Amino acid sequence: DGGITQSPKYLFRKEGQNVTLSCEQNLNHDAMYWYRQDPGQGLRLIYYSQIVNDFQKGDIAEGYSVSREKKESFPLTVTSAQKNPTAFYLCASSSRQRHTEAFFGQGTRLTVV
Amino acid sequence: AQRVTQPEKLLSVFKGAPVELKCNYSYSGSPELFWYVQYSRQRLQLLLRHISRESIKGFTADLNKGETSFHLKKPFAQEEDSAMYYCALKIQGAQKLVFGQGTRLTINP
Repeated sequence: DGGITQSPKYLFRKEGQNVTLSCEQNLNHDAMYWYRQDPGQGLRLIYYSQIVNDFQKGDIAEGYSVSREKKESFPLTVTSAQKNPTAFYLCASSSRQRHTEAFFGQGTRLTVV
Repeated sequence: AQRVTQPEKLLSVFKGAPVELKCNYSYSGSPELFWYVQYSRQRLQLLLRHISRESIKGFTADLNKGETSFHLKKPFAQEEDSAMYYCALKIQGAQKLVFGQGTRLTINP
């Protein structure tokens, strides 16, 4: 069953703790993305990766970190430096070919208390 | 900087009425533009892409480079069209994919 999987679906953490969100794809896609979805603000790009061992900051990278050690995996760490971490996080992947679509995971809702 | 703007956060129309969801972009290169849709409790998914120039579920979108717009249109709205719609711009080479703020479309019976 091909696709992109995010885990867990819901995550609770105490303030001040780092937390890592998982994103795995078996679509053989080179490019992967992390977005934050807040009501009224759409999808804001956190980090993206064109290829293994490479990643770039998006528009709201502060307080987040990523790694891309394997083609299939693009984990996102929400650090204690992120001022407002409670949000819905979406991961996506796409081929590098022109005009190809991105495929999305089902998302992780992170709540920091 | 690359940017996508959807001026309407909410749009409500009656069933059978025409629908137009606006999208404007800012990009100096050759754009790749997409419309994505998110139905209730479903994943975000592609609706259509500008290069295809096709109609999907009755929706069409034309790229207007002069006005830097990519508006989504449907002549006769249906209740099942109620969803969140996002316009997206992909930067080739860099593979950066940016989205607009989204428009929540509600079709009233």
